[in-house]
Amino acid sequence: DAGVTQSPTHLIKTRGQHVTLRCSPISGHKSVSWYQQVLGQGPQFIFQYYEKEERGRGNFPDRFSARQFPNYSSELNVNALLLGDSALYLCASSFDGTHVMGGYTFGSGTRLTVV
Amino acid sequence: AQSVTQLDSQVPVFEEAPVELRCNYSSSVSVYLFWYVQYPNQGLQLLLKYLSGSTLVESINGFEAEFNKSQTSFHLRKPSVHISDTAEYFCAVSEFGNEKLTFGTGTRLTIIP
Repeated sequence: DAGVTQSPTHLIKTRGQHVTLRCSPISGHKSVSWYQQVLGQGPQFIFQYYEKEERGRGNFPDRFSARQFPNYSSELNVNALLLGDSALYLCASSFDGTHVMGGYTFGSGTRLTVV
Repeated sequence: AQSVTQLDSQVPVFEEAPVELRCNYSSSVSVYLFWYVQYPNQGLQLLLKYLSGSTLVESINGFEAEFNKSQTSFHLRKPSVHISDTAEYFCAVSEFGNEKLTFGTGTRLTIIP
């Protein structure tokens, strides 16, 4: 079975631009979470979605938004990019949005560089 | 609010020697605890987790961690490390009823041949 798939793997954007990152969860998983990992730091929670509804939001500005589609895939959108948005963006999926039923599986991430 | 402290940013260890990576957490409620490993240019892989029950948990590749509630710690240990264990290790906590993971800043484990 395929794991969590993220696309693209790398991209470079200019300050002020908009970016969309995509995540396909493991088949059967209904929850997706997004994390931002700045170089040299641990991942920071951005969003969690379960059954297409937002279940949690981290301490990120409104420039960050996300959604989950009927097939449970997800998009993370970031507007008005800043240099500080440069990071590895990780997507994680789980069956039911909890750590108990198998927990979360992470994808390999999208490396975003803002110049 | 929950938080995680990994005091050691880098740990160099000789091959076949034992290692301990330290993790302390802070939370006002009951928690789940995790160790993740990140190899260069890759995502996170779950190494082991404590949800309930026995306070000593083990991974399939020889790592173990013990949940110590009184000391709010969840240190990771391995009796004999290998070159392939070279990676970044992240401790994480999640509070009951709140599924978000809060990560520490990571410990880079370097194995010296």
